[in-house]
Amino acid sequence: ETGVTQTPRHLVMGMTNKKSLKCEQHLGHNAMYWYKQSAKKPLELMFVYNFKEQTENNSVPSRFSPECPNSSHLFLHLHTLQPEDSALYLCASSHSGRSGEQYFGPGTRLTVT
Amino acid sequence: DQQVKQNSPSLSVQEGRISILNCDYTNSMFDYFLWYKKYPAEGPTFLISISSIKDKNEDGRFTVFLNKSAKHLSLHIVPSQPGDSAVYFCAASAGAAGNKLTFGGGTRVLVKP
Repeated sequence: ETGVTQTPRHLVMGMTNKKSLKCEQHLGHNAMYWYKQSAKKPLELMFVYNFKEQTENNSVPSRFSPECPNSSHLFLHLHTLQPEDSALYLCASSHSGRSGEQYFGPGTRLTVT
Repeated sequence: DQQVKQNSPSLSVQEGRISILNCDYTNSMFDYFLWYKKYPAEGPTFLISISSIKDKNEDGRFTVFLNKSAKHLSLHIVPSQPGDSAVYFCAASAGAAGNKLTFGGGTRVLVKP
Protein backbone atom coordinates (compact mmCIF):
# COMPACT_ATOMS: atom_id res chain seq x y z
CA GLU A 1 0.00 0.00 0.00
CA THR A 2 1.30 3.45 -0.86
CA GLY A 3 0.85 6.96 0.43
CA VAL A 4 -0.78 7.83 3.73
CA THR A 5 -3.49 5.60 5.13
CA GLN A 6 -5.85 6.23 8.02
CA THR A 7 -8.13 3.90 9.96
CA PRO A 8 -10.92 3.88 10.69
CA ARG A 9 -12.48 6.05 8.00
CA HIS A 10 -15.58 6.66 10.09
CA LEU A 11 -16.00 6.52 13.86
CA VAL A 12 -18.97 7.17 16.11
CA MET A 13 -18.22 7.26 19.82
CA GLY A 14 -19.92 8.27 23.03
CA MET A 15 -18.49 10.88 25.33
CA THR A 16 -17.29 8.27 27.83
CA ASN A 17 -15.59 6.03 25.25
CA LYS A 18 -11.90 5.63 24.56
CA LYS A 19 -10.86 5.12 20.95
CA SER A 20 -7.75 5.55 18.82
CA LEU A 21 -7.16 6.82 15.30
CA LYS A 22 -4.31 5.28 13.35
CA CYS A 23 -2.18 6.74 10.58
CA GLU A 24 0.52 5.03 8.56
CA GLN A 25 2.75 6.48 5.88
CA HIS A 26 4.69 4.52 3.27
CA LEU A 27 6.61 7.46 1.81
CA GLY A 28 9.81 7.35 3.86
CA HIS A 29 8.98 10.65 5.53
CA ASN A 30 10.19 11.60 8.99
CA ALA A 31 7.59 14.20 9.96
CA MET A 32 3.94 13.43 10.73
CA TYR A 33 1.00 15.65 11.57
CA TRP A 34 -2.54 15.60 12.93
CA TYR A 35 -5.03 18.16 11.64
CA LYS A 36 -8.65 18.81 12.55
CA GLN A 37 -11.22 20.11 10.08
CA SER A 38 -14.50 21.19 11.62
CA ALA A 39 -17.50 22.18 9.55
CA LYS A 40 -17.00 25.54 7.81
CA LYS A 41 -13.57 26.05 9.40
CA PRO A 42 -10.03 25.89 8.00
CA LEU A 43 -7.80 22.92 8.67
CA GLU A 44 -6.28 23.37 12.10
CA LEU A 45 -2.89 21.92 12.91
CA MET A 46 -3.02 19.89 16.13
CA PHE A 47 0.32 18.13 16.53
CA VAL A 48 3.63 17.82 14.71
CA TYR A 49 6.16 15.04 15.12
CA ASN A 50 9.67 15.22 13.70
CA PHE A 51 11.79 12.08 13.93
CA LYS A 52 9.27 10.64 16.44
CA GLU A 53 9.56 13.65 18.73
CA GLN A 54 6.61 15.96 19.30
CA THR A 55 7.65 19.43 18.19
CA GLU A 56 4.30 21.18 18.10
CA ASN A 57 1.19 21.04 20.25
CA ASN A 58 -1.20 23.69 19.06
CA SER A 59 -2.96 24.17 22.41
CA VAL A 60 -4.88 20.93 21.98
CA PRO A 61 -6.99 19.74 24.97
CA SER A 62 -5.53 16.79 26.86
CA ARG A 63 -8.47 14.57 25.89
CA PHE A 64 -6.53 14.21 22.61
CA SER A 65 -3.31 12.27 23.17
CA PRO A 66 -0.95 11.61 20.25
CA GLU A 67 1.59 8.84 20.02
CA CYS A 68 4.33 8.34 17.46
CA PRO A 69 6.10 5.00 18.04
CA ASN A 70 8.18 5.32 14.83
CA SER A 71 8.47 7.55 11.79
CA SER A 72 5.86 5.55 9.87
CA HIS A 73 3.05 5.40 12.42
CA LEU A 74 1.04 8.00 14.24
CA PHE A 75 -1.87 7.52 16.61
CA LEU A 76 -4.40 9.85 18.15
CA HIS A 77 -5.89 8.49 21.35
CA LEU A 78 -9.29 9.90 22.23
CA HIS A 79 -11.01 9.88 25.62
CA THR A 80 -13.95 11.74 27.17
CA LEU A 81 -14.56 13.76 24.03
CA GLN A 82 -17.25 16.39 23.61
CA PRO A 83 -19.80 16.68 20.79
CA GLU A 84 -17.93 19.75 19.49
CA ASP A 85 -14.96 17.48 18.82
CA SER A 86 -16.91 15.94 15.96
CA ALA A 87 -14.87 16.70 12.85
CA LEU A 88 -12.69 15.26 10.11
CA TYR A 89 -9.28 14.30 11.47
CA LEU A 90 -6.53 14.29 8.88
CA CYS A 91 -3.07 12.84 9.15
CA ALA A 92 -0.22 14.05 6.97
CA SER A 93 3.46 13.35 6.50
CA SER A 94 6.42 15.09 4.91
CA HIS A 95 10.16 15.26 4.91
CA SER A 96 11.24 17.02 8.05
CA GLY A 97 12.38 20.60 8.00
CA ARG A 98 11.66 23.38 5.61
CA SER A 99 9.49 21.80 2.96
CA GLY A 100 5.79 22.50 3.27
CA GLU A 101 4.70 19.80 0.86
CA GLN A 102 2.71 17.56 3.10
CA TYR A 103 0.95 14.42 1.94
CA PHE A 104 -2.44 13.79 3.48
CA GLY A 105 -4.39 10.69 4.29
CA PRO A 106 -8.13 10.43 3.52
CA GLY A 107 -9.13 11.34 7.05
CA THR A 108 -11.30 9.86 9.79
CA ARG A 109 -14.80 11.29 10.08
CA LEU A 110 -15.46 11.36 13.85
CA THR A 111 -18.87 11.83 15.39
CA VAL A 112 -19.16 12.21 19.17
CA THR A 113 -22.62 11.50 20.54
CA ASP B 1 -7.79 35.50 14.08
CA GLN B 2 -7.36 33.89 10.68
CA GLN B 3 -3.93 34.56 9.26
CA VAL B 4 -4.78 33.06 5.87
CA LYS B 5 -8.09 33.92 4.26
CA GLN B 6 -9.89 32.82 1.15
CA ASN B 7 -12.76 35.25 0.86
CA SER B 8 -14.59 33.48 -1.95
CA PRO B 9 -16.20 30.30 -0.64
CA SER B 10 -17.19 29.17 -4.12
CA LEU B 11 -16.47 29.75 -7.80
CA SER B 12 -18.26 28.54 -10.90
CA VAL B 13 -16.53 28.59 -14.28
CA GLN B 14 -17.16 27.26 -17.76
CA GLU B 15 -14.96 24.48 -19.08
CA GLY B 16 -12.07 25.89 -21.07
CA ARG B 17 -12.12 29.24 -19.31
CA ILE B 18 -9.75 30.52 -16.64
CA SER B 19 -10.34 29.91 -12.92
CA ILE B 20 -8.81 32.47 -10.59
CA LEU B 21 -8.65 31.71 -6.89
CA ASN B 22 -7.52 34.30 -4.39
CA CYS B 23 -5.88 34.13 -1.00
CA ASP B 24 -4.83 36.85 1.45
CA TYR B 25 -2.56 36.59 4.44
CA THR B 26 -1.70 38.84 7.35
CA ASN B 27 1.48 37.36 8.80
CA SER B 28 4.49 39.05 7.22
CA MET B 29 6.70 36.19 8.44
CA PHE B 30 5.11 33.79 5.95
CA ASP B 31 7.64 33.03 3.23
CA TYR B 32 6.38 29.87 1.57
CA PHE B 33 2.93 29.37 0.08
CA LEU B 34 1.14 26.31 -1.23
CA TRP B 35 -2.10 25.35 -2.90
CA TYR B 36 -3.85 22.08 -2.19
CA LYS B 37 -6.82 20.49 -3.93
CA LYS B 38 -9.36 18.31 -2.14
CA TYR B 39 -11.95 15.95 -3.59
CA PRO B 40 -14.81 14.64 -1.40
CA ALA B 41 -13.84 11.70 0.83
CA GLU B 42 -10.14 12.24 0.09
CA GLY B 43 -7.38 14.13 1.84
CA PRO B 44 -5.94 17.32 0.33
CA THR B 45 -3.33 16.81 -2.39
CA PHE B 46 -0.47 19.18 -3.05
CA LEU B 47 -0.83 21.20 -6.24
CA ILE B 48 1.78 23.94 -6.50
CA SER B 49 3.91 26.13 -4.27
CA ILE B 50 5.85 29.38 -4.36
CA SER B 51 8.64 30.84 -2.29
CA SER B 52 8.56 34.48 -1.29
CA ILE B 53 11.68 35.14 -3.37
CA LYS B 54 9.55 34.61 -6.48
CA ASP B 55 6.43 36.30 -7.76
CA LYS B 56 5.28 33.60 -10.14
CA ASN B 57 5.50 29.84 -10.44
CA GLU B 58 4.00 27.82 -13.26
CA ASP B 59 3.29 24.11 -13.59
CA GLY B 60 1.29 23.08 -16.63
CA ARG B 61 -2.20 24.54 -16.42
CA PHE B 62 -1.56 25.92 -12.92
CA THR B 63 0.16 29.21 -12.14
CA VAL B 64 0.54 30.82 -8.74
CA PHE B 65 1.19 34.54 -8.42
CA LEU B 66 2.50 36.19 -5.27
CA ASN B 67 2.20 39.88 -4.43
CA LYS B 68 4.16 40.32 -1.22
CA SER B 69 3.42 44.00 -0.79
CA ALA B 70 -0.31 43.27 -0.90
CA LYS B 71 0.08 40.00 1.04
CA HIS B 72 -1.94 38.34 -1.66
CA LEU B 73 -1.57 35.25 -3.78
CA SER B 74 -3.67 33.79 -6.52
CA LEU B 75 -3.97 30.51 -8.37
CA HIS B 76 -4.82 30.52 -12.06
CA ILE B 77 -6.08 27.38 -13.75
CA VAL B 78 -6.26 27.57 -17.51
CA PRO B 79 -7.96 25.99 -19.28
CA SER B 80 -10.31 24.76 -16.59
CA GLN B 81 -11.49 21.16 -16.90
CA PRO B 82 -14.43 19.34 -15.25
CA GLY B 83 -11.92 17.25 -13.26
CA ASP B 84 -10.71 20.46 -11.61
CA SER B 85 -14.00 20.67 -9.68
CA ALA B 86 -12.85 20.41 -6.08
CA VAL B 87 -12.14 22.49 -2.98
CA TYR B 88 -8.89 24.44 -3.16
CA PHE B 89 -6.96 25.48 -0.06
CA CYS B 90 -4.11 27.92 0.15
CA ALA B 91 -1.58 27.46 2.93
CA ALA B 92 1.43 29.33 4.24
CA SER B 93 4.45 28.69 6.39
CA ALA B 94 7.09 30.84 8.05
CA GLY B 95 10.76 29.90 7.85
CA ALA B 96 11.22 29.97 11.60
CA ALA B 97 8.23 27.66 12.06
CA GLY B 98 9.63 25.06 9.72
CA ASN B 99 6.97 22.67 8.55
CA LYS B 100 3.98 24.21 10.33
CA LEU B 101 1.30 25.13 7.79
CA THR B 102 -1.55 27.61 8.26
CA PHE B 103 -4.50 26.98 5.96
CA GLY B 104 -7.21 29.16 4.49
CA GLY B 105 -10.86 28.13 4.61
CA GLY B 106 -11.00 26.86 1.05
CA THR B 107 -12.78 27.78 -2.19
CA ARG B 108 -15.11 25.30 -3.85
CA VAL B 109 -14.65 25.33 -7.63
CA LEU B 110 -17.24 23.96 -10.02
CA VAL B 111 -16.24 23.64 -13.65
CA LYS B 112 -19.29 23.31 -15.88
CA PRO B 113 -19.01 21.32 -19.13
